[in-house]
Amino acid sequence: DVKVTQSSRYLVKRTGEKVFLECVQDMDHENMFWYRQDPGLGLRLIYFSYDVKMKEKGDIPEGYSVSREKKERFSLILESASTNQTSMYLCASAKHRGLEKLFFGSGTQLSVL
Amino acid sequence: AQRVTQPEKLLSVFKGAPVELKCNYSYSGSPELFWYVQYSRQRLQLLLRHISRESIKGFTADLNKGETSFHLKKPFAQEEDSAMYYCALKSGTASKLTFGTGTRLQVTL
Repeated sequence: DVKVTQSSRYLVKRTGEKVFLECVQDMDHENMFWYRQDPGLGLRLIYFSYDVKMKEKGDIPEGYSVSREKKERFSLILESASTNQTSMYLCASAKHRGLEKLFFGSGTQLSVL
Repeated sequence: AQRVTQPEKLLSVFKGAPVELKCNYSYSGSPELFWYVQYSRQRLQLLLRHISRESIKGFTADLNKGETSFHLKKPFAQEEDSAMYYCALKSGTASKLTFGTGTRLQVTL
């Protein structure tokens, strides 16, 4: 089965720090996504990418950037972490743009103090 | 803009009772609808897609374009159905999914 691996399960950072969240998938999927999951707000799309070096803004891109230098790796960057970015971050991948099925990572719980 | 609404944050039912998790969407074109599920301490995973018209773990969902709904149903709830359920919408050629806020299903004895 497809494996989507997020580098950290829990992360604690201080306000103003630069934060990198890494995601790697092992099935040669074209599409990769970053969502944040908050109670009562569901999943909200931050950024997505449908090819190497390509990126598209999702619904809440402010305060975030992404990098996709290799097909298997999609990084989420918080340039200057703020407390309102405390959240569960989920990475996902899909083979085709039809998005027949998204495969999710186990998530990174980020706390910004 | 596309939108997915799940009006219930929590749905509590007894084991053996019917289940209906509500999902309404707003989108003017031809939508594709999905249900994703997250069991305790597990990853979010696809449960079913409206295009497949399949039944997974006893769950079914019918797309009703007139009512813009895609409710998830199961005739007899089981304890193992307790989980967080998210409805999701893919609009036209867009390469992204819009998720609802989720409904926690709690099946009690």
